[in-house]
Amino acid sequence: SQQGEEDPQALSIQEGENATMNCSYKTSINNLQWYRQNSGRGLVHLILIRSNEREKHSGRLRVTLDTSKKSSSLLITASRAADTASYFCATDEGSGANSKLTFGKGITLSVRP
Amino acid sequence: DTGVSQDPRHKITKRGQNVTFRCDPISEHNRLYWYRQTLGQGPEFLTYFQNEAQLEKSRLLSDRFSAERPKGSFSTLEIQRTEQGDSAMYLCASSLSAGAGDQPQHFGDGTRLSIL
Repeated sequence: SQQGEEDPQALSIQEGENATMNCSYKTSINNLQWYRQNSGRGLVHLILIRSNEREKHSGRLRVTLDTSKKSSSLLITASRAADTASYFCATDEGSGANSKLTFGKGITLSVRP
Repeated sequence: DTGVSQDPRHKITKRGQNVTFRCDPISEHNRLYWYRQTLGQGPEFLTYFQNEAQLEKSRLLSDRFSAERPKGSFSTLEIQRTEQGDSAMYLCASSLSAGAGDQPQHFGDGTRLSIL
């Protein structure tokens, strides 16, 4: 079963614009992670935010977490054509950290040059 | 830096045949995970290991599926009597254990299985 639900399902923007993707989940979590996947490849880890954190930055990425609303957002600033990919949020909800991840269905991001 | 490697990258087989996939994790990682991903969906958890111990199995892992990690290093996933519905990408990932704090999982490029 999939816990996270990303929104929107697809996003198309112009290079240089910002992209905002949202994720909602249902149960309590240890942490929430965002991954990127290029077509036919494995997933690449982008950023991890712990349940006691509210915001985290990594380069052009900004992630927020609102545990009261059970939601997270990923902001990619100054997007590039190379950011074109599918993006997934995943929740670590096991009794200890680093157990299984539960993924959403993903968001397809297209960045037009 | 050697990442997670999976072999083969692609496997085409006839319905009813057995298939086996291999995953080599990052060497210092003691946790190893298997996921299955179908087209247009996110990965779904199948099972994971801490060293050689299999800690959790999903209900998706029917009795036709078996995973092993005999020496706590590489892992194999075997599917017996394959069915059309087994067609998917099988992804392996590895990480450090919970004692290291919250850790990301590092994924291989997967094995794409096609059942004819």
